[in-house]
Amino acid sequence: DAGITQSPRHKVTETGTPVTLRCHQTENHRYMYWYRQDPGHGLRLIHYSYGVKDTDKGEVSDGYSVSRSKTEDFLLTLESATSSQTSVYFCAISEARDEKLFFGSGTQLSVL
Amino acid sequence: SQQGEEDPQALSIQEGENATMNCSYKTSINNLQWYRQNSGRGLVHLILIRSNEREKHSGRLRVTLDTSKKSSSLLITASRAADTASYFCGGGGYQKVTFGTGTKLQVIP
Repeated sequence: DAGITQSPRHKVTETGTPVTLRCHQTENHRYMYWYRQDPGHGLRLIHYSYGVKDTDKGEVSDGYSVSRSKTEDFLLTLESATSSQTSVYFCAISEARDEKLFFGSGTQLSVL
Repeated sequence: SQQGEEDPQALSIQEGENATMNCSYKTSINNLQWYRQNSGRGLVHLILIRSNEREKHSGRLRVTLDTSKKSSSLLITASRAADTASYFCGGGGYQKVTFGTGTKLQVIP
């Protein structure tokens, strides 16, 4: 999957706990993205990064924060997980703005 | 709100037939991208068409783009059972790609 690793692959957590998902790339691509996928909603953009320490909000950013301290790592944090954040989370990378995305294998997150 | 809406939501065809999926989008874009997703996997890029292009081909795929109607279509010719998947359109613009809700294609052998 184009040198993209998401961890963990599966996680079950309880409401109110903090959760951090990690996306690691070996492609040295500048752009990184976090999406969530839910039935009936397709993929929705949570946050994205256009460089180290440069991030911006997507369509559904409430309740999520991100950090990118190195080119290869993009972290997604749920400060206090809620059941509505149960979803499959995908990381994607791109070499250039607006261009072809390469996706990771996803993280299945269940918030009970 | 999401960028695009695919139509139909689901499509079932016989192997060998052609499959057409449509996508409408809301805001200005620099390009329109199509992706395939097999069950439980990440999305895989299929084809990208730029806003100044009207049609593009790649193997059995044909994509059209009508910027005046803010719509695109993906045609898969001579479908195969292996084409069974969900297909998503994504609008590329403003440093990001935003997606529609997808079309679920089933190709019956």
